Amino acid sequence: GDSVTQMEGPVTLSEEAFLTINCTYTATGYPSLFWYVQYPGEGLQLLLKATKADDKGSNKGFEATYRKETTSFHLEKGSVQVSDSAVYFCALSDRLTNAGKSTFGDGTTLTVKP
Amino acid sequence: NAGVTQTPKFQVLKTGQSMTLQCAQDMNHNSMYWYRQDPGMGLRLIYYSASEGTTDKGEVPNGYNVSRLNKREFSLRLESAAPSQTSVYFCASSEELATSKGAKNIQYFGAGTRLSVL
Repeated sequence: GDSVTQMEGPVTLSEEAFLTINCTYTATGYPSLFWYVQYPGEGLQLLLKATKADDKGSNKGFEATYRKETTSFHLEKGSVQVSDSAVYFCALSDRLTNAGKSTFGDGTTLTVKP
Repeated sequence: NAGVTQTPKFQVLKTGQSMTLQCAQDMNHNSMYWYRQDPGMGLRLIYYSASEGTTDKGEVPNGYNVSRLNKREFSLRLESAAPSQTSVYFCASSEELATSKGAKNIQYFGAGTRLSVL
């Protein structure tokens, strides 16, 4: 079945550092890929998405490129801020299998220190 | 701009008690979901409703029941709570399941219900 594997956390960075959170996936169909973010005490919210190979999703300085050849969707940001401290979830949604439901990774906790 | 509203925000139950978690969305979405979030296990789908009048089991349905009351509301019931059901529960909705193209399968989440079963 479909699965998502995320880089284990927690990740701790200093403000203005470069961020990479790795995400790889397994899917039998043609999935859409997502990054969701969860701030403390809140539900998840969409950060960015990509629907086909080589698409780049971007939002709030975060980027991720859909790499079909490496089945990856790594999240990057050039300069993190304290306000980026949150839990980040990689997810996929496969139109052809799993009835289109989303599959989530386990989440990676990011802490940014001033 | 309410989005997805869950009630209650916190609940403590004794083993064997029952309760219903409520969820409502005001975005006219067709699909709704219930997840549980446990440390180190990410999000696991309990039940989902692709459209009004239909419900289906997710990954971890045992011990739960759901009702899609109308297009707006999707409730989750614990008939006899167990300590293993201590978790944070999230309701979500999307315009459609991912059986169509584009942005219709983006999920919008409520703020969660923190449930403890003693």
